[in-house]
Parts: sequence; C-alpha cells; structure tokens
Amino acid sequence: KQEVTQIPAALSVPEGENLVLNCSFTDSAIYNLQWFRQDPGKGLTSLLLIQSSQREQTSGRLNASLDKSSGRSTLYIAASQPGDSATYLCAVVYGNNRLAFGKGNQVVVIP
Amino acid sequence: NAGVTQTPKFRILKIGQSMTLQCAQDMNHNYMYWYRQDPGMGLKLIYYSVGAGITDKGEVPNGYNVSRSTTEDFPLRLELAAPSQTSVYFCASSPLRLAGGPQQYFGPGTRLTVT
Repeated sequence: KQEVTQIPAALSVPEGENLVLNCSFTDSAIYNLQWFRQDPGKGLTSLLLIQSSQREQTSGRLNASLDKSSGRSTLYIAASQPGDSATYLCAVVYGNNRLAFGKGNQVVVIP
Repeated sequence: NAGVTQTPKFRILKIGQSMTLQCAQDMNHNYMYWYRQDPGMGLKLIYYSVGAGITDKGEVPNGYNVSRSTTEDFPLRLELAAPSQTSVYFCASSPLRLAGGPQQYFGPGTRLTVT
C-alpha cells in the first residue's frame, strides 16, 4: 500500500525566508507526483506536477524536485510571503486513477 | 467556466438520515472523483468514475454510493449516516486518467457533520 508522509507537519517562518517542504512515499512505482495548496475552508489548487521521468519542475518562486528511487520530493518556495501561508499537500499517482495524499505541511509566514 | 461546483457547502445530519452530495463540472471531463478529508489528514478516495455509466470503488467506499448518468454530474449518496462520516467531502475532475499526468480540478468541498 502506498503511504505518503510529509515533514514537518507545521512550520512558521519569517517573511523573506525560503521554505523547504519534504514529502516521502513508500512505493517508488509512481506515475507522477503533485503538490497542491489548500487554504482554510477551501478546495485544493494544483501547484506543480512532476512526471515520474522528470527530476524537477519550476513555476515562479516554486520549485519541486523528485527522486523516485529514494521515494522523496521536496517543494522549495523562495522568498516567502504572508500570502504563502496555507497547507501544502503532496500526492502521488500510483495507479491509473489512484492518488495517495500526505497529511500536509501547514505553513505560516510571519510578516 | 464555473469549474467544479459542489452543493451544499455545509450540512448537519442526524444519525441514520440519508442525503446526496451534488457535484457538477462544466469542463467536459470524463474522469470524476469523490474524496473525504478528515481533520489533520490527507484526502482519501471514496469512488471515482471514468465516464458516464462507469464507476469504481476507491480506498474507503463503505457507507457510500455513486452514480454517473451524465458527463457533468457525479452525485455521492450517504444512505444511513454515521458519526464516522463526519468529514469534508471534495469532488474533483480530470480530462484524462491520472496516470497520464493531467491536472486535477477540485471543488470547494462540502462540510458534513453527523450527530
């Protein structure tokens, strides 16, 4: 069974610092990995998708890396802003339509 | 495009009552999904559908039923509500099977409390 773990569960950083969020998964047989953002009381917004053949993806201040063999992904958010405060969820696609989610990294950026 | 819409936003049910959570998408996506998210947890897949008339169980299907008579709509039915079904329910859709790498679009969620 595919299990996804996200560390740390919660963190606070001062504005301007870089954020590093970690995700690990137990079965390396994945199709792709996605990072989502979830704001309180809202749905999920897709941030980045990395195919299993890729090593990283970038979008603006966000960069996600994938090391499939070791079962790890890292999301970097450069120069954090208060608007980055949210919960970040990592999810892996391990079947045609199976998505396994981690519990999330709850981030607070302090102005 | 409205994207993925869900109704109601909030609902309180008594134990043993039934209800249907509505989900609709206007992006002509074939694939639709229902997830539940318990406090402090990730999302778990309840049911999914790969097209009208075709549904399949996810990780936690017990206590739920689904149907897919049209491409746009994918309702989730709770027949005999139990406190363990207190959760936030998310509907999602995608144009392709997830293994093909499409983006998945989520609705805003329905917060359900069973007392």
